[in-house]
Amino acid sequence: QLQLQESGPGLVKPSETLSLTCTVSGGSIYTSSYYWGWVRQAPGRGLEWIGNIYYDGSTDYSRSLESRLTMSVDTSKNQFSLTLSSVTAEDTAVYYCARRRGGRLDYWGQGALVTVPS
Amino acid sequence: QSVLTQPPSVSAAPGQKVTISCSGSSSNIGSDYVSWYQHLPGTAPKLLIYENNKRPSGIPDRFSGSKSGTSATLGITGLQTGDEADYYCGTWDSSLSAYVFGTGTKVTVL
Repeated sequence: QLQLQESGPGLVKPSETLSLTCTVSGGSIYTSSYYWGWVRQAPGRGLEWIGNIYYDGSTDYSRSLESRLTMSVDTSKNQFSLTLSSVTAEDTAVYYCARRRGGRLDYWGQGALVTVPS
Repeated sequence: QSVLTQPPSVSAAPGQKVTISCSGSSSNIGSDYVSWYQHLPGTAPKLLIYENNKRPSGIPDRFSGSKSGTSATLGITGLQTGDEADYYCGTWDSSLSAYVFGTGTKVTVL
């Protein structure tokens, strides 16, 4: 059974960089069938797609975040990562990693709360 | 802002049926498959429906999906208290080159 698990600091200071890693177990990240991505939910808000990365390193980013966003993949560790620079309180959210297969996000991590104090 | 529009809330008594609409455009729903997700507080979103009307293994047939043109619908029959959650539609938007979610609908069991 595929499992995804987010890890990273739960508190990031304003103007600093948020970094999260998603570790995939039960399957290889090095496959042409899937994309590996991130979704977040700010308090009281809906789901927001952040972006995704392919095993070859190609990416798709949300236009609203792309100027601050970098994603990377480490196939040797079966991990992919997210960095979001110059964070503000508006970036406070639960961050989920997820696998995208075509038009569906079929496996999700449990989520990691990241707080940026105002 | 979400490019897919859903009603903020729907409600019904236990055992009844609810439907949730998801309205988009030709660059998203009109040109790709729609998925639906159930999101309970404090848990990971769960895929309920994919490719418009298919259910992953383990999802009961009380949940159904359909699509017509640039709109999609999720139906839940035999409503149970455990169905109280937020529901989101989602699909790929070819103009944005991005995955887009609906605004979300809260289902309340009266």
